[in-house]
Amino acid sequence: AQSVSQHNHHVILSEAASLELGCNYSYGGTVNLFWYVQYPGQHLQLLLKYFSGDPLVKGIKGFEAEFIKSKFSFNLRKPSVQWSDTAEYFCAVMVSYNTDKLIFGTGTRLQVFP
Amino acid sequence: DTEVTQTPKHLVMGMTNKKSLKCEQHMGHRAMYWYKQKAKKPPELMFVYSYEKLSINESVPSRFSPECPNSSLLNLHLHALQPEDSALYLCASSRPRGGASTEAFFGQGTRLTVV
Repeated sequence: AQSVSQHNHHVILSEAASLELGCNYSYGGTVNLFWYVQYPGQHLQLLLKYFSGDPLVKGIKGFEAEFIKSKFSFNLRKPSVQWSDTAEYFCAVMVSYNTDKLIFGTGTRLQVFP
Repeated sequence: DTEVTQTPKHLVMGMTNKKSLKCEQHMGHRAMYWYKQKAKKPPELMFVYSYEKLSINESVPSRFSPECPNSSLLNLHLHALQPEDSALYLCASSRPRGGASTEAFFGQGTRLTVV
């Protein structure tokens, strides 16, 4: 069965620190990859997505992610975090065969302190 | 229009009630989803409709009954729920007709409390 794992469950950083959140998936076929963010009390928002092409993708709010096919990974990065980045971050994989199936990782809670 | 609209935003229901959650999108998407999200947990896939046909049911109890009346609407009928079913229920859609996969667009969710 397909699965998505996020290694960091809770990350605490100071403002201006660099961020990297890990994401690995298990599926041998073609996948589309996403990072979603959920701010406290708010709905899911798409940060960035990868379908094909350049494995380094840039998203909103200064986030980027790198797809490494050989490692089945899609790690999220930001060079300098802000207090407003405090949120829950979900990696997700869309598997498409008969239909689309979007599977979420367990999530990483990021807390950024001023 | 890139919106997925869910109603109601909040719902409190008793364990013997019957209620329905509604979801609407006008992006021409042909895949629609129901997810359940408990606090501090990721969304869990419940159902996927593809071209108005149920294509995935992730072993959801029968007290949850999905329905897709047309390509823009998705309902989730609730009956005899348990307190542990209290959660945020999210609707999403993706994939334009005849097109390749797209990202899923999510609604704001219905916060359900079962008392």
